[in-house]
Amino acid sequence: DQQVKQNSPSLSVQEGRISILNCDYTNSMFDYFLWYKKYPAEGPTFLISISSIKDKNEDGRFTVFLNKSAKHLSLHIVPSQPGDSAVYFCAASEAGSARQLTFGSGTQLTVLP
Amino acid sequence: GAGVSQSPSNKVTEKGKDVELRCDPISGHTALYWYRQSLGQGLEFLIYFQGNSAPDKSGLPSDRFSAERTGGSVSTLTIQRTQQEDSAVYLCASSLLSGNTEAFFGQGTRLTVV
Repeated sequence: DQQVKQNSPSLSVQEGRISILNCDYTNSMFDYFLWYKKYPAEGPTFLISISSIKDKNEDGRFTVFLNKSAKHLSLHIVPSQPGDSAVYFCAASEAGSARQLTFGSGTQLTVLP
Repeated sequence: GAGVSQSPSNKVTEKGKDVELRCDPISGHTALYWYRQSLGQGLEFLIYFQGNSAPDKSGLPSDRFSAERTGGSVSTLTIQRTQQEDSAVYLCASSLLSGNTEAFFGQGTRLTVV
């Protein structure tokens, strides 16, 4: 049973537009959420995170929104750039579980020039 | 080193052979994870080492898989009697144990079982 779900395997957007990547989770004990970006032949790199005490965290072009009641988070990238093309993984961890990260299946973002 | 280092970067092995994959975490990171990514799939959790505590092995897919972490630093993932379905990219990550913190990944080992 997947506890972290990314239902869109792929997303294409035009350069300069907003990219919105979505993630749903089922475990109500998750209290820390992260987004990772992965280029081919490289390991995932950390992008942005959010604690459950917040509903928004912003870092430059990247903003993560958390809706705890809906168990949903999203990553907004604006404006999107061709270099943002990568696989984006959503991850979550649970307080008291020694911070084991549970990952979603990823969304391939393609930013078209 | 500055980042998580994994070796080898690529490994081709014959079905039935044993393989060892190595991970050098970031110095000072007490938590270490192993994940794998099969073709077209997400990141599958395998095992988690947390300081001196017993590892969480709940993600290991079979008893052919084992991992150890010596001296709280370097970790080795061993796959015995490899099967074709073991072909995947094996990723190691490390993090600080305390607080909300991200995990840093190595570049992975691409294992191909032929």
